[in-house]
Amino acid sequence: AQKVTQAQTEISVVEKEDVTLDCVYETRDTTYYLFWYKQPPSGELVFLIRRNSFDEQNEISGRYSWNFQKSTSSFNFTITASQVVDSAVYFCALGLTGTASKLTFGTGTRLQVTL
Amino acid sequence: EADIYQTPRYLVIGTGKKITLECSQTMGHDKMYWYQQDPGMELHLIHYSYGVNSTEKGDLSSESTVSRIRTEHFPLTLESARPSHTSQYLCASGRGGSGNTIYFGEGSWLTVV
Repeated sequence: AQKVTQAQTEISVVEKEDVTLDCVYETRDTTYYLFWYKQPPSGELVFLIRRNSFDEQNEISGRYSWNFQKSTSSFNFTITASQVVDSAVYFCALGLTGTASKLTFGTGTRLQVTL
Repeated sequence: EADIYQTPRYLVIGTGKKITLECSQTMGHDKMYWYQQDPGMELHLIHYSYGVNSTEKGDLSSESTVSRIRTEHFPLTLESARPSHTSQYLCASGRGGSGNTIYFGEGSWLTVV
């Protein structure tokens, strides 16, 4: 069975600090997909990134970057120079092939960015 | 930006009432999903659909039912609401094929009193 672990329940940082959100996944499948979503206080889930298991290249998008390491089954998310608008709950999710693209979510990490 | 809409956004309803949460997407996605999320908690899949006339139960047992008569529409119904149904319900959709991104609506907050 697949599992996603986000060990950090809550993180508080001061604006402009860098912060890394950890995600560790478990699956026996060799082909899988990893996602990060952001959930602001309004409740909707905003898609941030999708990665397939064959692509270990790290990605940077503005202040956001993702580090995918198959050797440690981790897909960590770093926000550089955090801003108050980054305050949200961030979810990591795992999707397998042949499962209707159903996602298994982690328990989420609540990020609080203060002035 | 995904075009997936949920109504109502917020609903407070008495025990025993029947409710339907609406979900529509304009992207022509084959797959649609309903996730349930208690405040501050993880998401659990309760229903999904591969396409028209296809519905399946998710990983978390739910007393709700769904239907998929049209590609763009995936309503969720509770025949008799109970306080234990109080939660946020998130609808999502995605293209056919494995591993495609799933896009979420804004969610429906249901409170049963």
